[in-house]
Amino acid sequence: GAGVSQSPSNKVTEKGKDVELRCDPISGHTALYWYRQSLGQGLEFLIYFQGNSAPDKSGLPSDRFSAERTGGSVSTLTIQRTQQEDSAVYLCASTILGGGGGDTQYFGPGTRLTVL
Amino acid sequence: AQKVTQAQTEISVVEKEDVTLDCVYETRDTTYYLFWYKQPPSGELVFLIRRNSFDEQNEISGRYSWNFQKSTSSFNFTITASQVVDSAVYFCALSEYGGAQKLVFGQGTRLTINP
Repeated sequence: GAGVSQSPSNKVTEKGKDVELRCDPISGHTALYWYRQSLGQGLEFLIYFQGNSAPDKSGLPSDRFSAERTGGSVSTLTIQRTQQEDSAVYLCASTILGGGGGDTQYFGPGTRLTVL
Repeated sequence: AQKVTQAQTEISVVEKEDVTLDCVYETRDTTYYLFWYKQPPSGELVFLIRRNSFDEQNEISGRYSWNFQKSTSSFNFTITASQVVDSAVYFCALSEYGGAQKLVFGQGTRLTINP
């Protein structure tokens, strides 16, 4: 398909385990975002990648969270030593970012993470 | 800091009624962008509209219309003749000009259209 894809769609893990969440952006989109949607916090920004620039990590809630983007395309969000409060839906979005500002972000279906 | 407020947590109406979802925002930027997204029960966020801060023209798309008023920092969304398929959570969002352009979301309004 032509949209943003994410895997897995659901992930159940035990407290203390590490998890990796994957995002494939729309082909040709240079910018990629991760957001988290939880009951208590709503939708919140986590991290942003644009081309070869240093990522904006200002939204990552702790140093247990990290992300990388390889080859300017696929991104992986890693959560180490998961805690129950990490349970949420993790959403990925991509956009062209043509420089004019306000480019529309297109979202993937999300990964629902449950930490037991 | 940027902030978006959707004061209506839940709205329930009967099919064919008109319904307006409120959105109030705060920003110190003179250039910014406003968005509405729909999140149906499937969970995926679906883009509905984007508006920049210099364009206050109202927009209509079928049964959907948007009213942007800078004087009251509001960007309200109206669905005319609502249908059951309109049932979803609707999010209003704000982004800055330049930089990461990360979206700041409101808390969302859960809209239920009853047959």
